[in-house]
Amino acid sequence: DGGITQSPKYLFRKEGQNVTLSCEQNLNHDAMYWYRQDPGQGLRLIYYSQIVNDFQKGDIAEGYSVSREKKESFPLTVTSAQKNPTAFYLCASSIDGRYGYTFGSGTRLTVV
Amino acid sequence: KQEVTQIPAALSVPEGENLVLNCSFTDSAIYNLQWFRQDPGKGLTSLLLIQSSQREQTSGRLNASLDKSSGRSTLYIAASQPGDSATYLCAVIPYSGAGSYQLTFGKGTKLSVIP
Repeated sequence: DGGITQSPKYLFRKEGQNVTLSCEQNLNHDAMYWYRQDPGQGLRLIYYSQIVNDFQKGDIAEGYSVSREKKESFPLTVTSAQKNPTAFYLCASSIDGRYGYTFGSGTRLTVV
Repeated sequence: KQEVTQIPAALSVPEGENLVLNCSFTDSAIYNLQWFRQDPGKGLTSLLLIQSSQREQTSGRLNASLDKSSGRSTLYIAASQPGDSATYLCAVIPYSGAGSYQLTFGKGTKLSVIP
C-alpha cells in the first residue's frame, strides 16, 4: 500500500547534537512538507519542497535544514542552532500541493 | 495572510448524538479544504477533501460542507461513537500567485464522545 513512512518514531537528542528525521513516500507525489506540532500551538510549517532539488523555508525554518535529492525522500535535520527542538514532527506529501495531503505517523523528538 | 479558526476548541457529547464542528477561513481564494482526524500521539488521517468547486463531500457517517463565499466549512458527524473521540483539524490550500502551495491549519476541535 502507498503511504508515508517516518522514522524513527521516538528520537532523543543531546544538547549540541544534530539529528536527522527520515521521511519516505511511495505515492509518487511531487510535493513534500515538514510540520512541527507543539501543544496548544497547532501545526507550523518548517520547510517544503515542490520538486526534486528545490525547497523553500516555511514559517519556522531557523535551526532546521532539509534536502530533496530524490522524489521519494525528504529528510529533516534538526541542528544545534534550534534551541527548543522538543516537539512532534510530521511529514506530509501531496501530488503537487494543491490537492489532498497524506501525512506520516510522526516522530517525537525529545532533548535530554 | 490566510487564517483558519475552529470553534469550539473542545466538545463533549453523549454517545449517539449528532454533532457539527465549525471551521472558518479569512480568504475565500482557496483550491481545496481538507478535514483531518488526529488521535493522541499519532499522525493525521484524512477524512474528507472538498475541492473549491464542490459544496459537500460525504463518507459514511461524516458529511463536510463548504461555503467558499462566506469562508465557512462544517463537519457533520452522525450518531457519534466513543471511537470518534479525537482532535479534528480543518486545513485550506490558499491560491498562490507564486506557484507554491501549502496547507494552512486551524488549531483543531478536541471531541470527546461519552459512552
